[in-house]
Amino acid sequence: DTGVSQDPRHKITKRGQNVTFRCDPISEHNRLYWYRQTLGQGPEFLTYFQNEAQLEKSRLLSDRFSAERPKGSFSTLEIQRTEQGDSAMYLCASSLRGKNEKLFFGSGTQLSVL
Amino acid sequence: GDSVTQMEGPVTLSEEAFLTINCTYTATGYPSLFWYVQYPGEGLQLLLKATKADDKGSNKGFEATYRKETTSFHLEKGSVQVSDSAVYFCAQENQAGTALIFGKGTTLSVSS
Repeated sequence: DTGVSQDPRHKITKRGQNVTFRCDPISEHNRLYWYRQTLGQGPEFLTYFQNEAQLEKSRLLSDRFSAERPKGSFSTLEIQRTEQGDSAMYLCASSLRGKNEKLFFGSGTQLSVL
Repeated sequence: GDSVTQMEGPVTLSEEAFLTINCTYTATGYPSLFWYVQYPGEGLQLLLKATKADDKGSNKGFEATYRKETTSFHLEKGSVQVSDSAVYFCAQENQAGTALIFGKGTTLSVSS
C-alpha cells in the first residue's frame, strides 16, 4: 500500500493555459474521487469514478473541467482555459467500495493561476 | 441543502489541556459522520467516524458521539499533545452516499 499519489505537487500557470493533473490511487481501490480545496475552506466534491465510469459530477465542475479514468486505474483532471478563480488545491482520494468504505486522500496538487 | 458547520479556529491550547471542537450538521435523514485530520504537509486522514445515532467514534484518544437530537458530532480529547497540532475537518456523507460534505476546518495549535 503506497498510498494515493498526485502529480505534480505544485503547478503555476498563466491564465488561459490548459493544465492536467494526475492521480494514482491505491491499486485495489475501485472508487476514485476529485475534490477541490481553497484557502480557509474544506474540500468540495468535484466528481467520482467507479472503475472507469464517471458516475457523478458536481455542478462546480464547469465545462472547462474534464476528468478521465481510463482502464479504471489512474485518473487525470484537465482544466482548459484556466482562470484565476481556478487557483486551489486539487485533491484526489480513493476507496474500496464496501460496508466499511474508507477514503484515502493524496497530498494534492496546488494550482496557482497568474 | 446539506451542510456542516464547525467552530472557527484557530484553537490554541497548552499540552495536556482538554480539547473540544464543535461540529453540527444539517441533513435529510441520518448520514454517516466523520472527522478528518490534516497534519502539516500531509493529505487528509480519517480520524474517526460514526454511522448511526448514539454511535461513538474513537481513535488516538479522540472521541465523538453522533447526537441526532442536537445534530452534532463534537470532537473531544482529554489531554492534547503537541503532535496533535493539525487542521481538523468534520464531514458528513451526502444523501446519495457518493461524496463527503466537509466543514471549513479548525486549526489546532498545541504548545509545550
